Order: sequence, then structure tokens, then C-alpha cells
Amino acid sequence: KAGVTQTPRYLIKTRGQQVTLSCSPISGHRSVSWYQQTPGQGLQFLFEYFSETQRNKGNFPGRFSGRQFSNSRSEMNVSTLELGDSALYLCASSPGLAASTDTQYFGPGTRLTVL
Amino acid sequence: DQQVKQNSPSLSVQEGRISILNCDYTNSMFDYFLWYKKYPAEGPTFLISISSIKDKNEDGRFTVFLNKSAKHLSLHIVPSQPGDSAVYFCAASAYNQGGKLIFGQGTELSVKP
Repeated sequence: KAGVTQTPRYLIKTRGQQVTLSCSPISGHRSVSWYQQTPGQGLQFLFEYFSETQRNKGNFPGRFSGRQFSNSRSEMNVSTLELGDSALYLCASSPGLAASTDTQYFGPGTRLTVL
Repeated sequence: DQQVKQNSPSLSVQEGRISILNCDYTNSMFDYFLWYKKYPAEGPTFLISISSIKDKNEDGRFTVFLNKSAKHLSLHIVPSQPGDSAVYFCAASAYNQGGKLIFGQGTELSVKP
């Protein structure tokens, strides 16, 4: 099975712009979660989508949003970019059916740099 | 509020010896725990997991131990190999929130030949 794929791998934007990142989960997986990794804050949960609905949400401002399509592919959007949004954005997929014991498998990440 | 803590930022071990990475948590609602290995600028790679109904799980050279009363888990790697050198993250999820992992800050393991 192919793994989780993320596009693009690298992105450079300027402050105030917006950005859209894409994630294709492992075939058959219906849950997609997004994480932000920064040197200061570590790996932090952004949100999870399951069957096109946001199922869990982390503590990020409303500038961070996402959606999931009927084929389980997901996108996340960050509007009005700030310098502090520079990070590695990771997507993870899981079957999504177990209440707790789903294992998440991660993609390679998108490195976003905001200038 | 750091719900998952890895108090050792780094660990150095000789090849062939045992590596023990530790993780503490505070949320008693956590019921599933995972260990991931990560290289810079790559996504985490799943290593091993354990459900709260167990106290031990083994997979090859990797064993995870869970002590629920102490809210502590550890990852044992035996024998350690130079290729194990990476950052290891402990993660946890609460009941009905399997899609939301809370991560520790990571421990950088260096295995020296």
C-alpha cells in the first residue's frame, strides 16, 4: 500500500498571504489528522477529519482551517500568514473506526517558511 | 500544560547495549500510547504501541512497558544499533479521541559504534 502523501513538500510565502496544503491518506483510511511541528512547541495537534467532518480540534486560531473530501483526501488552509506559522506541517491517517486504538501513520510533511 | 513529558532531551548508548527511553503523562483519560521515531525534516515513523489494558508489548527489538499507577511508560531497545539514532517521541490519545495524539517533546537517541 502506498503511504501518506503530502504536497507540496516545501513552500515559501510572505506574511499576510494564505496557503493550502494537501494530504492523501493511505488507501482505506478515513481519518486524517494534522499536526504542526516547531522547535519551540514540538508536535502539536491541529485538527482531525473523519468522513468529511471535523471530529477533533486543537488549540489553534481560526486562521487554521481544514476540510476533507469524499475520497478522504484532506486540505488545510492557513490565512493571513504570520512569521510564527513557519513550521513542518504533518498529516497522519488512520482507519478511524476504533474509538481510541487507531494507529496514525504520518506523511513526510510540508515545510512552510513565512518571510 | 504538558500532558505528556519526556524529561530526557538526549540519550547516548553504546552499540549492542540497551536503550531505555522514558515518558510520563498526567491525563488519566489516556488509554492508548505510541512511540514514534523521527529524522529531521521527515514525518514520524510508527514503532510500537500499547493499550492501557496491557502492561507490556513486544515487537522484535522493541518493548514498551506501561505502569498505569505511576503514569509512566518506557521504550526498551535491545540490542541498540547505530541505525536507531534518531529522535523518539512518545504520544498518547484519550478514549474516543484516537485521532488526536498528544506528543512529548522527544528524546534524541545516539547509538555509538
